[in-house]
Amino acid sequence: AQSVTQLDSQVPVFEEAPVELRCNYSSSVSVYLFWYVQYPNQGLQLLLKYLSGSTLVESINGFEAEFNKSQTSFHLRKPSVHISDTAEYFCAVSDRSGGYQKVTFGTGTKLQVIP
Amino acid sequence: DAGITQSPRHKVTETGTPVTLRCHQTENHRYMYWYRQDPGHGLRLIHYSYGVKDTDKGEVSDGYSVSRSKTEDFLLTLESATSSQTSVYFCAAGQGLNYGYTFGSGTRLTVV
Repeated sequence: AQSVTQLDSQVPVFEEAPVELRCNYSSSVSVYLFWYVQYPNQGLQLLLKYLSGSTLVESINGFEAEFNKSQTSFHLRKPSVHISDTAEYFCAVSDRSGGYQKVTFGTGTKLQVIP
Repeated sequence: DAGITQSPRHKVTETGTPVTLRCHQTENHRYMYWYRQDPGHGLRLIHYSYGVKDTDKGEVSDGYSVSRSKTEDFLLTLESATSSQTSVYFCAAGQGLNYGYTFGSGTRLTVV
């Protein structure tokens, strides 16, 4: 069975400051890892993903995440946040349990950017 | 995302009544999913489909059923709605894990 832990339910940060949203996972097999973002009253949007290869993955809007197998982590970072980054962020993990493709989501971290 | 449409967007229903939520995709994705989102729980998988007429249960499937008679449509039915099923329901679809999921905008269901 796979699981995802996002320890921080809310993260307040001042505009233009750096931020890290933490994600830890558990799985007995190789995993794929994802970060999704949810803006108010909208569905989730894929932000970035790790499938294989380079452990550092980047999104088009300045976020990056690093896969750390030894620490079973996939933390999301941004060096300088903007007001528009205020949203809820979900980490997700998937393996090939049962031969079908299912994704398990964390409980989410609300990023509040303070002007 | 314009590729996934959920209907209705909002619904209020009475305890004990059946309710059907619809998800329609225009992307021809093989896999489709129904999640519910509740504070403190994140997204929990209700049911999923890996092809037409091929469905399976997720982690919170009690009280729910699904049907997929066409690639583009995935229906979620609450057989007899209860207050514990008050939630926001999201449909998602994907062609494979390499691509991630595309989500609909959600259906806010209130059971009174």
